[in-house]
Amino acid sequence: DQQVKQNSPSLSVQEGRISILNCDYTNSMFDYFLWYKKYPAEGPTFLISISSIKDKNEDGRFTVFLNKSAKHLSLHIVPSQPGDSAVYFCAASDTGAGSYQLTFGKGTKLSVIP
Amino acid sequence: DSGVTQTPKHLITATGQRVTLRCSPRSGDLSVYWYQQSLDQGLQFLIHYYNGEERAKGNILERFSAQQFPDLHSELNLSSLELGDSALYFCASSVEGLAGDYEQYFGPGTRLTVT
Repeated sequence: DQQVKQNSPSLSVQEGRISILNCDYTNSMFDYFLWYKKYPAEGPTFLISISSIKDKNEDGRFTVFLNKSAKHLSLHIVPSQPGDSAVYFCAASDTGAGSYQLTFGKGTKLSVIP
Repeated sequence: DSGVTQTPKHLITATGQRVTLRCSPRSGDLSVYWYQQSLDQGLQFLIHYYNGEERAKGNILERFSAQQFPDLHSELNLSSLELGDSALYFCASSVEGLAGDYEQYFGPGTRLTVT
């Protein structure tokens, strides 16, 4: 039972354009969401997060949008750069559960074409 | 550099053997989480320790165990290894919710190969 789903295994975008990565979740107890970026042979790197009390959070070129009613979040990268090419993981946590363990999606591989 | 260190980086061992993976959290972080990344399952939560005490268990096999020591480093012990245990093992640390921050910072991982 996959509670966090990233339905696009891969995405290709031209340099300078917007990259939109999507994530859906099924567990209504999730109230904190995070995006991580991962290069091969490295650990995931934290990018940006959002609490369920918000619907948008921005940090530089990265914006995360949360639609609680649809149980959907998205990560926007504007403008996309070749260095953004990596695997992006969506993760969710139920912060009321006593442990802030993360449930991850299976990732979307982003390729930014120069 | 996340500030989380893991050793060894690579480990090759035979079926039936036992190995220990080590993790040092970021300075000041009391929580350590262990995750397994295999090709078909993605990143899966194994176990969480907070300040030396076990907080939660996920999909961790009975052959696996962990502990967190007084200096806050953690070890993940894998025994009676099987071919299917070959995976990347990550640890992550967190300040544990202070000021609403729940971000976890990951180490570089240990790649375990069981032959």
